[in-house]
Amino acid sequence: SAVISQKPSRDICQRGTSLTIQCQVDSQVTMMFWYRQQPGQSLTLIATANQGSEATYESGFVIDKFPISRPNLTFSTLTVSNMSPEDSSIYLCSTQEGNTEAFFGQGTRLTVV
Amino acid sequence: GENVEQHPSTLSVQEGDSAVIKCTYSDSASNYFPWYKQELGKGPQLIIDIRSNVGEKKDQRIAVTLNKTAKHFSLHITETQPEDSAVYFCAAISSVNYGGSQGNLIFGKGTKLSVKP
Repeated sequence: SAVISQKPSRDICQRGTSLTIQCQVDSQVTMMFWYRQQPGQSLTLIATANQGSEATYESGFVIDKFPISRPNLTFSTLTVSNMSPEDSSIYLCSTQEGNTEAFFGQGTRLTVV
Repeated sequence: GENVEQHPSTLSVQEGDSAVIKCTYSDSASNYFPWYKQELGKGPQLIIDIRSNVGEKKDQRIAVTLNKTAKHFSLHITETQPEDSAVYFCAAISSVNYGGSQGNLIFGKGTKLSVKP
């Protein structure tokens, strides 16, 4: 199993600014995933982050808007850049090894005003 | 790629009754089907999962069934309790990599379950 500490748990930000979300895993993991969950909606994958390589982004998400770092096997960050109210959402990090259980952080509830 | 449909979107039951949530998937190569429970303000947590080599799995009041031919799987909660109230997500993952991308979980849209005391 893996325990993921995600912070901040929530934030209210001004439009045009950026927010960096951090995830710390209590064990070394190969892959980390970043999801967006809009209010009352399902989880949409933003990107997959492997240590030592550039993140792979899903359709509709770009690196300039959501830069990701993966400096080691236990840590990753997601930055939401140049925020607008449409970026208000819950952002979740996750880890999963192959076809096994995925573990999630508690999420970051972002409100852009 | 994979597409997962989940029904119903909301479900209200009386305490003690059973609740059933159904999902269908499109990719016949999918071989792992987890169910997640998400309580307010928390990340999703796995409650049960099933692999394509079995048709049913049970854990106390929770069971999951899988019909590979029809490509659908269901979550069954018996003797529901108020603390079962949450949003439930089904998901599927394919063993096939598409275009070089790693297979990843595809989630249904979620079911908001309310258990009334």
